[in-house]
Amino acid sequence: NAGVTQTPKFRVLKTGQSMTLLCAQDMNHEYMYWYRQDPGMGLRLIHYSVGEGTTAKGEVPDGYNVSRLKKQNFLLGLESAAPSQTSVYFCASSYTNRPNEQFFGPGTRLTVL
Amino acid sequence: GQQLNQSPQSMFIQEGEDVSMNCTSSSIFNTWLWYKQDPGEGPVLLIALYKAGELTSNGRLTAQFGITRKDSFLNISASIPSDVGIYFCAGRMNRDDKIIFGKGTRLHILP
Repeated sequence: NAGVTQTPKFRVLKTGQSMTLLCAQDMNHEYMYWYRQDPGMGLRLIHYSVGEGTTAKGEVPDGYNVSRLKKQNFLLGLESAAPSQTSVYFCASSYTNRPNEQFFGPGTRLTVL
Repeated sequence: GQQLNQSPQSMFIQEGEDVSMNCTSSSIFNTWLWYKQDPGEGPVLLIALYKAGELTSNGRLTAQFGITRKDSFLNISASIPSDVGIYFCAGRMNRDDKIIFGKGTRLHILP
């Protein structure tokens, strides 16, 4: 099993450009999450999904959109990137009955110039 | 929003030393978690605590759920080079709440 995978691993954008980060998991997890990690800030939840076709806002959702069209995939979109969105983005997934054990992907390092 | 305060922010220790770190909150939590992030990777769950006063071990790691339910502690005994990384505490106030992460304690081990 590959676990949680994220693509791309690195990306540089110019202000105003758009992009989509892809997360895939092969563990049949119901819950999926997107976090951002900034120096000295820990992990902050952007959006999450409790199942296919459903999404919800987390702590810092502004400037991001998500979609969960398939159970195994969770997409994070930036419509108009801003320098404040420079960060490392982590996707995670978990079973419904074990939400505390989140399995994280390796991260995507995004720089917005 | 709710915050978890982790201390220390970073630690420099000699290989073989024991390590202690803690996490506090102004609110009561019903679940305390400890995750570790190796350099360049995503966090991995180390220990989950569900009851006040609970003491749980995972190899050389021991974590405790504070009696007041507003704090938690992590100890690492006889540190080794692979213990290097960032240790995050995390908590959940209620079953339906999302996990809140602390800012992390970065552990460095001197040769």
